[in-house]
Amino acid sequence: EVQLVESGGGLVQPGGSLRLSCAASGFTFSSYSMNWVRQAPGKGLEWVSYISSSSSTIYYADSVKGRFTISRDNAKNSLYLQMNSLRDEDTAVYYCASDSDAFDIWGQGTMVTVSS
Amino acid sequence: DIQMTQSPSSLSASVGDRVTITCQASQDISNYLNWYQQKPGKAPKLLIYDASNLETGVPSRFSGSGSGTDFTFTISSLQPEDIATYYCQQHDNLPYTFGQGTKLEIK
Repeated sequence: EVQLVESGGGLVQPGGSLRLSCAASGFTFSSYSMNWVRQAPGKGLEWVSYISSSSSTIYYADSVKGRFTISRDNAKNSLYLQMNSLRDEDTAVYYCASDSDAFDIWGQGTMVTVSS
Repeated sequence: DIQMTQSPSSLSASVGDRVTITCQASQDISNYLNWYQQKPGKAPKLLIYDASNLETGVPSRFSGSGSGTDFTFTISSLQPEDIATYYCQQHDNLPYTFGQGTKLEIK
């Protein structure tokens, strides 16, 4: 079964850090670019970050640039998002999504809550 | 960055109705436009890619059209299970941007 499973979410204080993981199975992970997308409570979808299949190309939304770092380990079929200097406005469900010119596979999401 | 303007933001329709949602890009994106469906508490699901191509397994009552800056998403005959929020997304240039969403309700 084709699947993406996120983990690592939780409650963190403003200024804190969190590392999200996304485990892929059922498809050739190393052949796909990947993305992180987030959704604040009651809000729409916001693209966060992109990484190419070989990690040679990386992009970030302006809202997270300099604070978040995307990475991947193709040997472990895993995608990561290191989130530092977290702010209240980073509170959201974070989804990983595969990219084949459309986001065709999504994980179930992991909730990140930034609050004191 | 490319801005995506989606309308309406909400829509109420009856079962069997034809439903149309529009999405306008702030610049030419050719046909690099995707449509997603999101049900409450669930991850988004790809319905239409490259403006008009139906994703495998998606019912044929869903369709998309358009190119350049103006795009349309249509449900030919609304079903109760179609209640969801729908998003357009441009995939022409990073950052990949989404429309603000259309919440579809049954009248």
